[in-house]
This record gives sequence, structure tokens and C-alpha cells, in this order.
Amino acid sequence: EIVLTQSPGTLSFSPGERATLSCRASQSVSSNYLAWYQQKPGQAPRLLIYGASSRATGIPDRFTGSGSGTDFTLTISRLEPAEFAVYYCHQYGSAPHTFGQGTKLEIK
Amino acid sequence: QLQLQESGPGLVKPSETLSLTCTVSGGSISSSSYYWGWIRQSPGKGLEWIGSIYYTGSTYYNPSLKSRVTIAVDTSKNQFSLKLSSVTAADTAVYYCARHGPGIAAAELYFHHWGQGTLVTVSS
Repeated sequence: EIVLTQSPGTLSFSPGERATLSCRASQSVSSNYLAWYQQKPGQAPRLLIYGASSRATGIPDRFTGSGSGTDFTLTISRLEPAEFAVYYCHQYGSAPHTFGQGTKLEIK
Repeated sequence: QLQLQESGPGLVKPSETLSLTCTVSGGSISSSSYYWGWIRQSPGKGLEWIGSIYYTGSTYYNPSLKSRVTIAVDTSKNQFSLKLSSVTAADTAVYYCARHGPGIAAAELYFHHWGQGTLVTVSS
């Protein structure tokens, strides 16, 4: 199975800053079928990005997904207070589906 | 607006079978456009995909759980279900049901809509 590594586990930023999150796959993700989710405490994950770079409905353009092959990035420009949460990547190009361990964005 | 709601016992004894149901509202589970899935989240293992089902009953499972998992669909009730047998403490987790898609091609198999999740604890 494809192992997704998100590091570091925690990143600290101030509101208004730009955050860049990394997701590295143990082997190439088929057709860049890579999604990103945001999860807040006590809530289910929320889809942000699919197909590595397509924003889900209602997601602001401050969220940008990029990358291909084994290296993917989620960039959040101008962090807002509500966006300090945990972010997960998910590959769905090869069975079984797998998720990264998550990166927590905390307020500096 | 599509909503998914998990239901079932919050406490299961070791070696018994965990049974959960996901009720779908605001949309038909019989739509030919979607797969429906189960994912769990535990502190130790993070998010783990369990398996998914199409309205026809076609399933695919995570090989790591396949020997213990059964996912079924009941189109008359607009529900799908999860059974996980021979549970241990390692199966303690928040269990989510979710809808893939839109679409059933490989490109659409991300999780588009999630239920709120239900905590299942395995303990005697």
C-alpha cells in the first residue's frame, strides 16, 4: 500500500501568514489522485482539494493544491483564525485508500 | 442537502461484532453516480479506510480488515451498514460513513461528504 507522510506533525503560524503543508508518498500516486481534508476538533474531515489541485465546492481560492507523482503540497495564503486545524492528505489512486497522519496548524 | 448519519452501539465487547448503520438523507443511495464508504479514526492509527460499496452491492475492502468486514446496502431504507467481527481494543475508534464522488470513476473516489462520526469503544 502507499504510505503518505506528512511532516512536520505541527506547524505554527500567525493569522495572515502563508502556510505550506507537505505530503510525500512512498510511491507514485496514480494520476495524481490526491485529496486534502481539513478537520476541526469534534468534527468530520471536510474535503478541500481533489485531483491534487482542484478545489471542492465552496472552498476559497486561498487554498491551493499542487504537486505530482510522490510530492504534493497544500498552500493556504493569508491564514484566518478558523483555519487553524488538522489537515490530512488522502490518495485514492491505488487500493487500499490511504491517509497521511495529518499536520496540525497551530497559532503562534 | 445530503446528510449522512451513523448509528449503532457505542460499546462493544471484545470478540463480538461491531455493527453500524449509515442513514442517508437528502439524496438517494440508489443513484448510479456514487460509491459509499466507511472510514475510522483512532489516536493510534489516524484515518483508516475500511471499505466501500456501490448501490448494486458491489464492494471493495481494505485488505488489512477484509477478513473481518462486511459492508451491505439496503436501498429500501436508504441505508448502508458495516459489520466488523472479532473486535479487539485496537478497533476502538470514531467511525465515519461517507460518500465518494460525484461519479464512480477512479478520479472521483475521494470522500466528498462525511457523516459526523460515532465513537465505538471495545471494552468488557
